[in-house]
Parts: sequence; C-alpha cells; structure tokens
Amino acid sequence: SYVLTQPPSVSVAPGQTATITCGGNKIGTKDVHWYQQRPGQAPVLVVYDDASRPSGIPERFSGSNSANAATLTVRRVEAGDEADYFCHVWDSSRDKVVFGGGTKLTVL
Amino acid sequence: QVQLVESGGGVVQPGGSLRLSCVGSGSIFRGSDLHWVRQAPGKGLEWVAVISKDETKHFFSDSVKGRFTTSRDNSKNTVYLQMDSLRLGDTATYYCAISDCGGDCYTGRGWFDPWGQGTLVTVSS
Repeated sequence: SYVLTQPPSVSVAPGQTATITCGGNKIGTKDVHWYQQRPGQAPVLVVYDDASRPSGIPERFSGSNSANAATLTVRRVEAGDEADYFCHVWDSSRDKVVFGGGTKLTVL
Repeated sequence: QVQLVESGGGVVQPGGSLRLSCVGSGSIFRGSDLHWVRQAPGKGLEWVAVISKDETKHFFSDSVKGRFTTSRDNSKNTVYLQMDSLRLGDTATYYCAISDCGGDCYTGRGWFDPWGQGTLVTVSS
C-alpha cells in the first residue's frame, strides 16, 4: 500500500519559517492536500492540489510537490499556527485515500 | 458554504453495531462525494470510506471492508455509515467530509472541505 511519511514534530520560533515534509514514492505525480488540526477541533484544509490555497487561508501558507516529497511551508509563524498538520493523497491504484501520520508544529 | 453535522456516536460493546449520520446543507451536498475519516484518541487521521454522489461507488479502507457500509438519502441531505462487528480498535472520533476537485472527478479524488465536527464512537466491554 502507498505510504506517506511525515516528521512527528517540527519546532520553530515565532516569525520564522516552518517546513513540513510529506514523503512518498513518486508523490510528485499525485495531487497533495494539507490540513491543519488544532487541539479539539476538526481538520481544516490549508493547501490543496499541491500549492493552491483556499479562501480565508493566509498567504503565509504555501505548498510544493516534486519527485518524492511534498512540502508545506508556513512563513512568519504565529502562536496560532501551533497545530497538527496532515498531508493527503488519493492512491488511484487501490481506490483509497492515504493520510500522512501527521506533524505537530510547536511554536517556541 | 456547506455545513456538515455528524450524529449517532456512542458507546457500544465489541461485536455490536452503530449507524452514524452526516447531515449537510445545500445543493452542494447532494452533488458531492462524501468521505468518512476517523481519528483514534491521540492518533492521526485514518480514512474509512467514500460514497459517490449518486451512490454508485463505495470504497473502503482495508480495516473496515466487509464490516462497514455506506448509503445516502439525498432527499434528506444525509449520508450514513453503518458499522457492524465493531472492534475495540474502531474507537475513534468519526468525521464526515465533502471531497472537491474543482470539477467532475473520479470518486475519491480531491481535497476534503468542509469537515463536520465529528462524533465519538467508543467500543468497550
């Protein structure tokens, strides 16, 4: 089955840039979506189709995808960005959705 | 913006059954594929199932295939997740979510937006 690998945690000081990776075999050929989940809340879409941003999501959030890794970048990190982040792809060979294990972003 | 509300969660014994509901607002709900995603306490997201907008396609994760089924009643803007032969490992908050791909896409593809607030299912003896 298709596997997405994320680092369990990323820490960054306020105002700095956080980079969260999502590794997968030839993930560059797939559409990758990213979700933010704050404690006790439902996930919220922050990036779709690798690099597109839904309305209402700050421009500080951006994404990229190439070869074997997709990346979510959060610039000028704020305390409110502290949350779990999950990547998501569709495994067309098995007709199944795959999520990464999630990355906890800690703002120092 | 479509809003989704799940209900039907609760405590059930191993081997028991439960039916979850997801009610949506608006015509977008009726024209959309609907996914179920669960999250065990303190764990990550796990995809469970998807039902197509016209109920012709149903896909399931390996962990629930043969035990869970999906259905929908578009006249009531409602999608159901029937869970049978429940196991301790099915304990989780269950979310429903609409998938979108910006057009007419293959069932299962696309991003999830919006999500419901979730309903907790506890399987315990």
